[in-house]
Amino acid sequence: DSGVTQTPKHLITATGQRVTLRCSPRSGDLSVYWYQQSLDQGLQFLIQYYNGEERAKGNILERFSAQQFPDLHSELNLSSLELGDSALYFCASSGTGLNSPLHFGNGTRLTVT
Amino acid sequence: AQKITQTQPGMFVQEKEAVTLDCTYDTSDPSYGLFWYKQPSSGEMIFLIYQGSYDQQNATEGRYSLNFQKARKSANLVISASQLGDSAMYFCAMREVRDDKIIFGKGTRLHILP
Repeated sequence: DSGVTQTPKHLITATGQRVTLRCSPRSGDLSVYWYQQSLDQGLQFLIQYYNGEERAKGNILERFSAQQFPDLHSELNLSSLELGDSALYFCASSGTGLNSPLHFGNGTRLTVT
Repeated sequence: AQKITQTQPGMFVQEKEAVTLDCTYDTSDPSYGLFWYKQPSSGEMIFLIYQGSYDQQNATEGRYSLNFQKARKSANLVISASQLGDSAMYFCAMREVRDDKIIFGKGTRLHILP
């Protein structure tokens, strides 16, 4: 058990809709990262938060947004969904330090129909 | 910009043999960390091993070792005495000290044959 909790595990929705993915980091970790993994693809970095502040941004679409709350949980909001947004979305948390590994949640499988 | 390259999309290896998964990276930051993760068919991401850019020794964790060649910017994962349970996707990743984001390669799918 990584200690990172992601909800929901599965989400099926229609094109044009909006969804919210939720992540609770491992106790003590201040950094939260979001990744998108499409079928048989690597992990695309979306965005990182550190202690409530946006720290780094990757290839995140303008239709997507995220935030980290004072209790350190994070939410990823996906709007105006398209078929191509269907993917596995991972949240991961990390401690400080170059050698701190990412601890991943089990992911949210999003299917857009 | 960070870049991670894994040139082997798929590999087939006989059980009990050693296997090397290739990873090259590109960075101008002198301080960085390299990670390897395993993703079984069940989908979870499992951290395997870490190597820091200033580490003098190659990292080892049980059957996993990292063949770190800094001048060549390569960080190959070596799995000794492979087992059927090693069949999975393997990802190489890098974090630079100046930019905390962690970038992943496209992965190598490893199949262990009985």
